Amino acid sequence: AQKITQTQPGMFVQEKEAVTLDCTYDTSDQSYGLFWYKQPSSGEMIFLIYQGSYDEQNATEGRYSLNFQKARKSANLVISASQLGDSAMYFCAMRVNNAGNMLTFGGGTRLMVKP
Amino acid sequence: SAVISQKPSRDICQRGTSLTIQCQVDSQVTMMFWYRQQPGQSLTLIATANQGSEATYESGFVIDKFPISRPNLTFSTLTVSNMSPEDSSIYLCSVGDRGRPGETQYFGPGTRLLVL
Repeated sequence: AQKITQTQPGMFVQEKEAVTLDCTYDTSDQSYGLFWYKQPSSGEMIFLIYQGSYDEQNATEGRYSLNFQKARKSANLVISASQLGDSAMYFCAMRVNNAGNMLTFGGGTRLMVKP
Repeated sequence: SAVISQKPSRDICQRGTSLTIQCQVDSQVTMMFWYRQQPGQSLTLIATANQGSEATYESGFVIDKFPISRPNLTFSTLTVSNMSPEDSSIYLCSVGDRGRPGETQYFGPGTRLLVL
């Protein structure tokens, strides 16, 4: 079975600073994908970034980057130059490629950006 | 990515009644999924909605409580039956995009359900 752990229930960051949201995962499969989603108070789930287990380079999407450390089974999200609009819940999720298409989600981290 | 809409966006229902949630996608997709997010919790997969066959339910979810229809490749419904206050949640549908790395799933805006 797959498991995703997000150990930070809540975090504060000063506007314009960078912040790292932690995510560790557990799977015995070698082929998998890791995803980060943002959920504002409106409730929608917004896809941010994806990292495949065989990708050699860390994924980047604008101000989002993923610090992928395969040996440690961690996939931390880094948000650079935080903005007030980044205040939201952030979820890490995993999909194991030979176990169907289901996503397993972590418990989430609430990020609050201070002006 | 696909544009996904859900109806209703929110509802308040009495216990013992049922609510049907609709999910519409602007393009044909093979995989559609239904998730539940209980208050303050993460997302849990209810079932995978398969076109032309019965939905595949995850452990802890049964067809009698959460019947799902998938009449075509752009539409699905989830019914929450015989509701109790414990069913108060956000219900989200998602679709898998096979053209994206990892077959990224994109989510609809969600349906906020409150059961009194």
